[in-house]
Amino acid sequence: KAGVTQTPRYLIKTRGQQVTLSCSPISGHRSVSWYQQTPGQGLQFLFEYFSETQRNKGNFPGRFSGRQFSNSRSEMNVSTLELGDSALYLCASSRYTGTSGSSSYNEQFFGPGTRLTVL
Amino acid sequence: GDSVTQMEGPVTLSEEAFLTINCTYTATGYPSLFWYVQYPGEGLQLLLKATKADDKGSNKGFEATYRKETTSFHLEKGSVQVSDSAVYFCALDGSEKLVFGKGTKLTVNP
Repeated sequence: KAGVTQTPRYLIKTRGQQVTLSCSPISGHRSVSWYQQTPGQGLQFLFEYFSETQRNKGNFPGRFSGRQFSNSRSEMNVSTLELGDSALYLCASSRYTGTSGSSSYNEQFFGPGTRLTVL
Repeated sequence: GDSVTQMEGPVTLSEEAFLTINCTYTATGYPSLFWYVQYPGEGLQLLLKATKADDKGSNKGFEATYRKETTSFHLEKGSVQVSDSAVYFCALDGSEKLVFGKGTKLTVNP
């Protein structure tokens, strides 16, 4: 079974540009989450999508946005890039089915990440 | 809000040494707790988990016990190997998202 794939693996952009990152979840997984990893702030939650709807959102400015397609693939977009956006962006998928009140944790499976460098 | 604090690294050990990485948390309710591992150039992999107080998670010789009274989830391994060199993250499942500690880099020398 293929794991979570992220493209591209590496990106170099300049300040002010925008960027789109892509994530393909494990087959059958309908929930996709995005995280930003930096040396200073560590791993921070960006947002989660389920069934093409944003289900949860972290504390990031509106320049960070995402979407999910009907095949569960997800993209995240960062507009007007800043130097501080340089980071490893990780995507994770899970078997979350939309059932509320479930006490069982749906393990998140992470992709290898996209390394974004903003110059 | 929810938070996780883990010991600062880096940690350098010799092969077969005993490993402890401390992790404490602050959360409302009773979150599930996790240890993730990140090898160089890779994403995160779930190492072990515990979903309720006094649960012990274990995998690949690593263990951690969910201690509600001390709000801790320390990671231990009795005899580390060079292949255990990686960054380890403690995390909790808070408000339907993972909250991570800053990570501890472990280097094991032969």
